[in-house]
Amino acid sequence: AQSVTQLGSHVSVSEGALVLLRCNYSSSVPPYLFWYVQYPNQGLQLLLKYTTGATLVKGINGFEAEFKKSETSFHLTKPSAHMSDAAEYFCAVSDSLYGGSQGNLIFGKGTKLSVKP
Amino acid sequence: EAQVTQNPRYLITVTGKKLTVTCSQNMNHEYMSWYRQDPGLGLRQIYYSMNVEVTDKGDVPEGYKVSRKEKRNFPLILESPSPNQTSLYFCASGSNSPLHFGNGTRLTVT
Repeated sequence: AQSVTQLGSHVSVSEGALVLLRCNYSSSVPPYLFWYVQYPNQGLQLLLKYTTGATLVKGINGFEAEFKKSETSFHLTKPSAHMSDAAEYFCAVSDSLYGGSQGNLIFGKGTKLSVKP
Repeated sequence: EAQVTQNPRYLITVTGKKLTVTCSQNMNHEYMSWYRQDPGLGLRQIYYSMNVEVTDKGDVPEGYKVSRKEKRNFPLILESPSPNQTSLYFCASGSNSPLHFGNGTRLTVT
C-alpha cells in the first residue's frame, strides 16, 4: 500500500525567504511522485512530477523537489517566496503516471502556505 | 483548450433529494476519477474508471454512484444525499500523463 505524509498543515514564510514543504511517502514499488498546488477557489494544478531518472525535478513558478529514496522523501522547495505563492500544496504518490494500477493517486493532507509581506 | 469541466460549481440541496454532478473531459483520456476534499483530510478518492463501462470503488464510495457510458463523461450521482456528503468535489482525468483536475463542485447538503 502507498501513503503520503506531509509535515505541517500550515507553513508561514516571509516574502523572499526560502520555502520548504515536507513530504514523505511509503510505497512498495518504485513510486511516481507529484506536487500539486491549489489556489483559493480553484482546482489542483500540477507543479512538478518525478517518474524516473534525475532525482532533482524542476517545476513551474520556480519550485523544485528532490526525490531521496533513502529518506523516502520528496520535499518541495523554492529559494525565494513570492506573495503569489500563497496556496495549499498537496504531495501525491502513485504507481503510475495517471492513477495507479489500483486506480488511485494517494494524496497527503495538504500544507497551506502563507507568505507575509 | 484541454480541460475537465464540472457542473455545477456550487450546489445547495436538502437531505434525500437526488442529484448529479457532471464531469466532462475533451482530452480523450481513458482514466477518470472523482475525489472529495475535506479540511484536514486532503483528497480522498470516491470512484474511478479505467475506461468506458469500467468503474471501481475508491476509498470512500459509500453513498455515491457513477457511470461511464461514454469516454468523455463521468457523472457522480448521489441518490439520497446526506449532510456528511457536504464537501468539495473534484473530477480528474488522465492517460499516460499526470491527472488533470476540474475546478471543483462545492456541495452543501442541509
